[in-house]
Amino acid sequence: DAKTTQPPSMDCAEGRAANLPCNHSTISGNEYVYWYRQIHSQGPQYIIHGLKNNETNEMASLIITEDRKSSTLILPHATLRDTAVYYCIVRPNFGNEKLTFGTGTRLTIIP
Amino acid sequence: NAGVTQTPKFQVLKTGQSMTLQCAQDMNHEYMSWYRQDPGMGLRLIHYSVGAGITDQGEVPNGYNVSRSTTEDFPLRLLSAAPSQTSVYFCASSFRTGNYGYTFGSGTRLTVV
Repeated sequence: DAKTTQPPSMDCAEGRAANLPCNHSTISGNEYVYWYRQIHSQGPQYIIHGLKNNETNEMASLIITEDRKSSTLILPHATLRDTAVYYCIVRPNFGNEKLTFGTGTRLTIIP
Repeated sequence: NAGVTQTPKFQVLKTGQSMTLQCAQDMNHEYMSWYRQDPGMGLRLIHYSVGAGITDQGEVPNGYNVSRSTTEDFPLRLLSAAPSQTSVYFCASSFRTGNYGYTFGSGTRLTVV
């Protein structure tokens, strides 16, 4: 399974766009990129996912590089409630489901 | 839909006791899994299942047993609790396709004294 690398922490000013990077240089062609976040000790919450194309939903945008070796999660107008740990994982389409989460990026939104 | 339901939410065990953490989902998901999360750490996979009757080990399976007799339920059993098993446990489920996200339960906070 492809592994991911994320910075351990980031700060972002409230109201600004938060850009969270993820490196997944060993990703396979059938693996999706997923982003989740965890607020305090709650269960992780799904944010967005993509395979090749950029994706946008009501929460965020996902930009995947053309070679698929990295991606960026964009929270367009960060609020204090976006303070959380953000996890980037890759998941195969019908394959080994032995998926693991790394330590993620702790995003702190600064008032 | 209730989603993924975990019970209990909190539990204190004495060393050597056994217990079962319950996880149920009502979304007909094939895939279910258990994770543990220690303070300040990420989630580590304990066991997972891709369908009824099929289970497999994750990163940290020692000290835990699972079974999957139905699609809906995936209980996690601690046979002889140890203080090292003090953690927050999360259950997750999904359809078994890469194009579908996981749904997580709200967690069980377990303390072994």
